[in-house]
Amino acid sequence: AQSVTQLGSHVSVSEGALVLLRCNYSSSVPPYLFWYVQYPNQGLQLLLKYTSAATLVKGINGFEAEFKKSETSFHLTKPSAHMSDAAEYFCAVSTGGATNKLIFGTGTLLAVQP
Amino acid sequence: DSGVTQTPKHLITATGQRVTLRCSPRSGDLSVYWYQQSLDQGLQFLIQYYNGEERAKGNILERFSAQQFPDLHSELNLSSLELGDSALYFCASSPTGADSYNSPLHFGNGTRLTVT
Repeated sequence: AQSVTQLGSHVSVSEGALVLLRCNYSSSVPPYLFWYVQYPNQGLQLLLKYTSAATLVKGINGFEAEFKKSETSFHLTKPSAHMSDAAEYFCAVSTGGATNKLIFGTGTLLAVQP
Repeated sequence: DSGVTQTPKHLITATGQRVTLRCSPRSGDLSVYWYQQSLDQGLQFLIQYYNGEERAKGNILERFSAQQFPDLHSELNLSSLELGDSALYFCASSPTGADSYNSPLHFGNGTRLTVT
């Protein structure tokens, strides 16, 4: 069964600092991985997805993630944080096949300090 | 705007009651997924429908049921409500349901259910 683990339920960075949100996956088959962002009182919005085409995936709003099979990781990064990046971020793995449901991690709440 | 519409946005009801949450998927999407988001359980997959048929079940209680209609909109019915059912309920849609492991899900803004 597939699963993802997000390390750190709360992360705080200063504006302009590097953002690093950690996600490790467990999967018996090659995984398809996603990062979603949830702003207050809104639904989840797709940031980026990994589908085995390239290990470094670029997403929206300057975010990117690198798939590292040896470390079973898919960490999300952004070189310079903006105040508008404050939100909750979810890593997810797809079960694929006929159901294609997403299994989500517990989320990381990112705070950006001025 | 994801194109997924959920109504109502907020719902307040009493224990023991029954409510219906509605979801209209993005135009052309055949699959609808329901998720429950609560502080203690996080985002939990409840159920998936594909073109009117149930495709997968997750952690859905027997008091809960769902269906997808011919026009592809979906309803989630919650009955005999308990305080612990208070949560944000999300609907998501995707274009297909078969072998679409790299198709992202598009989420609505959710229905916030409060059971008092």
